[in-house]
Amino acid sequence: EVQLVESGGGLIQPGGSLRLSCAGSGFSVSSNYITWVRQAPGKGLEWVSFINLGGTTYYADSVQGRFTISRDDSKNTVYLQMNSLRVEDTALYYCARAGAVAGLPYWGQGTLVTVSS
Amino acid sequence: SYELSQPPSVSVSPGQTASISCFGDKLGDKYTFWYQQKPGQSPVLVMFQDNKRPSGIPERFSGSNSGNTATLTISGTQAMDEADYYCQVWDSNTVIFGRGTKLTVL
Repeated sequence: EVQLVESGGGLIQPGGSLRLSCAGSGFSVSSNYITWVRQAPGKGLEWVSFINLGGTTYYADSVQGRFTISRDDSKNTVYLQMNSLRVEDTALYYCARAGAVAGLPYWGQGTLVTVSS
Repeated sequence: SYELSQPPSVSVSPGQTASISCFGDKLGDKYTFWYQQKPGQSPVLVMFQDNKRPSGIPERFSGSNSGNTATLTISGTQAMDEADYYCQVWDSNTVIFGRGTKLTVL
């Protein structure tokens, strides 16, 4: 069974850093696109970043230069390093297995990031 | 950057047909995906490649995409279908979501 489990969220002050983890099971993260999507409270879905099979990374303009996605194949885990956090980064962060023709068929349960002083 | 537009809300009576639209420039040239999200839950893919249903999605869900409009249609809408629905495309190595449509079944 395919599962993705996010962790690492929490309360952080503006300007701080946080690293989210997305642990995959039932499949290999190195053989799939893995993407991060966030949802601010009461708002819609916003794409954040993805990493493809070859390890190439892509980012939304809103996080470019502040967030870094990476992958540890030995742990079957994808990470999202978030630096210079802003109040507007407050959201539930989901990771999802993605594909250009498959969409995002598998999602985790999300991890909440709250940026507040 | 590419943008998708959706009506904020759609209402439908139980048993009737609900149509949720998604608009984008030459959207018919792209694959459109649809997600259902109920309160407190993660999104669920209900349609991929415009009109394909993932395993486990009821047959009452169907999709189309042509010109500038993609449509998710729910026939014989049930109370359990009340949720937020998002359309999504890939564009230049980015994932684009519509702002979502709240479907109310009343």
